[in-house]
Amino acid sequence: DQQVKQNSPSLSVQEGRISILNCDYTNSMFDYFLWYKKYPAEGPTFLISISSIKDKNEDGRFTVFLNKSAKHLSLHIVPSQPGDSAVYFCAASEVSKAAGNKLTFGGGTRVLVKP
Amino acid sequence: DGGITQSPKYLFRKEGQNVTLSCEQNLNHDAMYWYRQDPGQGLRLIYYSQIVNDFQKGDIAEGYSVSREKKESFPLTVTSAQKNPTAFYLCASSKTGQGSYEQYFGPGTRLTVT
Repeated sequence: DQQVKQNSPSLSVQEGRISILNCDYTNSMFDYFLWYKKYPAEGPTFLISISSIKDKNEDGRFTVFLNKSAKHLSLHIVPSQPGDSAVYFCAASEVSKAAGNKLTFGGGTRVLVKP
Repeated sequence: DGGITQSPKYLFRKEGQNVTLSCEQNLNHDAMYWYRQDPGQGLRLIYYSQIVNDFQKGDIAEGYSVSREKKESFPLTVTSAQKNPTAFYLCASSKTGQGSYEQYFGPGTRLTVT
């Protein structure tokens, strides 16, 4: 049972335009969400996160939106740059003693930014 | 320069052999994790440890073993019982406690078993 889903395996966008990546989750106990960026043959690097008490968090070109009622979050990258071409993973965490700091990852979305 | 190191970058083994992947961190993090990534898929949790001398199974622990004798080190052994060991293995670490959800990842080890 996939608790975190990224339904779009790939996304192609023109340089300078907005990239919108989507993520859906099913576990209502998740209360913290993160986005990671990954280049081939490298480890993921943290991009941005959001707590369930917020509906938006912004950091430079990256903005994450959370819709708790829909169990949906999205990452907006604007403007998109060629260096943004990578795989983006959505991850979720449940705050409980039993869960610890475990993250559950989505399957990833490959973004290609065309010059 | 703090971070997580994984060695080697590429590892080749024959079927039936056990192999141990190294993971070291100098971030003073209490928690460490092992993930596996297969082509076109997300990261799946193999094992994690929140404190020295303690670890828990993740979602796909069968065929793997770990130890956590030191805070800095969390080696993963891929045993011959793991049916599909060829994959990209990622180690991560994080702080523990409230508000410590961000995990920092190493560069990964690509294991190929033939």
